[in-house]
Amino acid sequence: EPEVTQTPSHQVTQMGQEVILRCVPISNHLYFYWYRQILGQKVEFLVSFYNNEISEKSEIFDDQFSVERPDGSNFTLKIRSTKLEDSAMYFCASDRGNEQYFGPGTRLTVT
Amino acid sequence: RKEVEQDPGPFNVPEGATVAFNCTYSNSASQSFFWYRQDCRKEPKLLMSVYSSGNEDGRFTAQLNRASQYISLLIRDSKLSDSATYLCVARDFGAGSYQLTFGKGTKLSVIP
Repeated sequence: EPEVTQTPSHQVTQMGQEVILRCVPISNHLYFYWYRQILGQKVEFLVSFYNNEISEKSEIFDDQFSVERPDGSNFTLKIRSTKLEDSAMYFCASDRGNEQYFGPGTRLTVT
Repeated sequence: RKEVEQDPGPFNVPEGATVAFNCTYSNSASQSFFWYRQDCRKEPKLLMSVYSSGNEDGRFTAQLNRASQYISLLIRDSKLSDSATYLCVARDFGAGSYQLTFGKGTKLSVIP
C-alpha cells in the first residue's frame, strides 16, 4: 500500500538555525500539506500546495516558513530561523481531493 | 474561526464495552468529516469518513447531523487495540486546498 514518507524522523537544532523537513507524498496525489502538532495539543494546519504553488496557508505559516516541490517526488518545509516554539511534530499529508493520508512525522526539537 | 470540539476524556472502558464519542463543529460550510485515530507520538491514521446517512465499518459506526453540526463515533465490542486518541476532523474546500481542521481528540483506554 502506498504511503507518505518523511525524513528525518527526529531533528534537533539550535535556535536561529535553518531546518529542512522532507516528505515524499503518495505518487498519484495532487494536493500536499504540512501540519504541526505541539506536544499535548491538537494537529494544526500550516500550508497546502497544489499545482506547484501554495494554495492556502494559516496564520502560523509566516515569513520564516517556506515550502517547495523541487522535483516530481519531494515536498519540503523549510524554517529559516528556528525558535524554541517551533518545537513540535511536523506531519506531511497528501490526497487526491478525497481522503487525506499522513506521513509518520518529523519530531523537531529546538534548543 | 473554524473549530471542532470534542470531549477530551479519558474514557476508560473494559474490553467488550460499547463506547461513543461526540464532536461538534463550528463552520457550517464544512463539507466532509472524518474520524482519525492517533496512537501516542504517531501520525493521525484515517479510521473512516462520516456520511449524512450514517456509515458502518465493522465494529465502528459514524453519524453526521448537519442541522446540529454534530458528529459521532460508536465503537462496539471494544478491543485492547482500540486504545488510542480519536480525532474528529472537518474538511473545507478552498481554491486548491482541502485543509483539515482537527479536534483535540478523545483519549480511549480499553482495559483488560
